[in-house]
Amino acid sequence: QQQVKQSPQSLIVQKGGISIINCAYENTAFDYFPWYQQFPGKGPALLIAIRPDVSEKKEGRFTISFNKSAKQFSLHIMDSQPGDSATYFCAASSPYSNYQLIWGAGTKLIIKP
Amino acid sequence: EPEVTQTPSHQVTQMGQEVILRCVPISNHLYFYWYRQILGQKVEFLVSFYNNEISEKSEIFDDQFSVERPDGSNFTLKIRSTKLEDSAMYFCASKAGAYEQYFGPGTRLTVT
Repeated sequence: QQQVKQSPQSLIVQKGGISIINCAYENTAFDYFPWYQQFPGKGPALLIAIRPDVSEKKEGRFTISFNKSAKQFSLHIMDSQPGDSATYFCAASSPYSNYQLIWGAGTKLIIKP
Repeated sequence: EPEVTQTPSHQVTQMGQEVILRCVPISNHLYFYWYRQILGQKVEFLVSFYNNEISEKSEIFDDQFSVERPDGSNFTLKIRSTKLEDSAMYFCASKAGAYEQYFGPGTRLTVT
């Protein structure tokens, strides 16, 4: 029940296209859902996050869509650029476990020029 | 912009040796975490620390692991007797309030 399932494992998108990464969870106590971006050899960098009281959050080219009833959330990258090529992790946390992050398995995104 | 720093960036040690990984969290943050990431795998939670004590730990964080905040700025992870399977990237993270955790660049630990 503590798992966060992420798909796809890898994704190739043409420059200018939309990249979509999906995550699903079971634990209804989760109330914070961040996305992290990680470049090789670097630490995860917080990209965007959402709480379940809203269904969508947009920051620049990055949008999180959240479906509370389906227990799913997704990251959309609009106008994808080669510089977006990285590994993306979704995560979730709950106040009942001191907000430790439970991570998805990651999606390796490659943007083709 | 304030950031989490970690030292060393790479540590090579022999099996059975003790290692200490160091982190300097963002200065006004109150919650501290250690995570690890085995090469090619997902990030895993190890331990959280608040108010000078462990608030949560995972099954990975056994008696071989300990954490300490020896002064007002540093936060350390000690592995007493390293095993081959401890080889991983270790990330420190900190947060000020309830949600956003900010990660350091990591320490790559290689146990030979």
